[in-house]
Amino acid sequence: EDKVVQSPLSLVVHEGDTVTLNCSYEVTNFRSLLWYKQEKKAPTFLFMLTSSGIEKKSGRLSSILDKKELFSILNITATQTGDSAVYLCAFGGGADGLTFGKGTHLIIQP
Amino acid sequence: DTGVSQNPRHKITKRGQNVTFRCDPISEHNRLYWYRQTLGQGPEFLTYFQNEAQLEKSRLLSDRFSAERPKGSFSTLEIQRTEQGDSAMYLCASSIWDRREQFFGPGTRLTVL
Repeated sequence: EDKVVQSPLSLVVHEGDTVTLNCSYEVTNFRSLLWYKQEKKAPTFLFMLTSSGIEKKSGRLSSILDKKELFSILNITATQTGDSAVYLCAFGGGADGLTFGKGTHLIIQP
Repeated sequence: DTGVSQNPRHKITKRGQNVTFRCDPISEHNRLYWYRQTLGQGPEFLTYFQNEAQLEKSRLLSDRFSAERPKGSFSTLEIQRTEQGDSAMYLCASSIWDRREQFFGPGTRLTVL
């Protein structure tokens, strides 16, 4: 059965810190890996990764995929209180529904 | 607002009642997805449509659940004879058929008493 495991499940840091969120997966037919940010509402799309070793970047957020070791990381530099959210990793495979991990609950303290 | 919209945003019902939710996708998106999310979990895939055709159903979608997208635009998700275990956030997402990024609506929070 396809599986997506995120770690840590929760993380508390201070404003200005850099955080790294992890996502590992065991899937039978990999096509893409996606990151979403979820505050108290719907998930909002951050990145989609399909190729190993190519970093995607958007402002203070960046992500990279390692298809050999079956994991991805999401980095957030110079964190702000507005970065507090649940960060979800999802796998897109042969079927079209996404398989999500449980998420990392990130809290940024001022 | 050109994003995905869902109605109602909240629904409280008694066990055994039927409920129906509506999703309006982004207008040029021909794929529409339904997910369910419970507290502390990521969204779980239920079903998806390409235009009006329902192409995939998860085993989570019991016989009490039915989804339609009659004209390939909005979709409805009906739950018959609701149970307390159906209490969850029901999320709708849409995408363009050849792109994998899915864009989510605000969800409908269902509480079954």
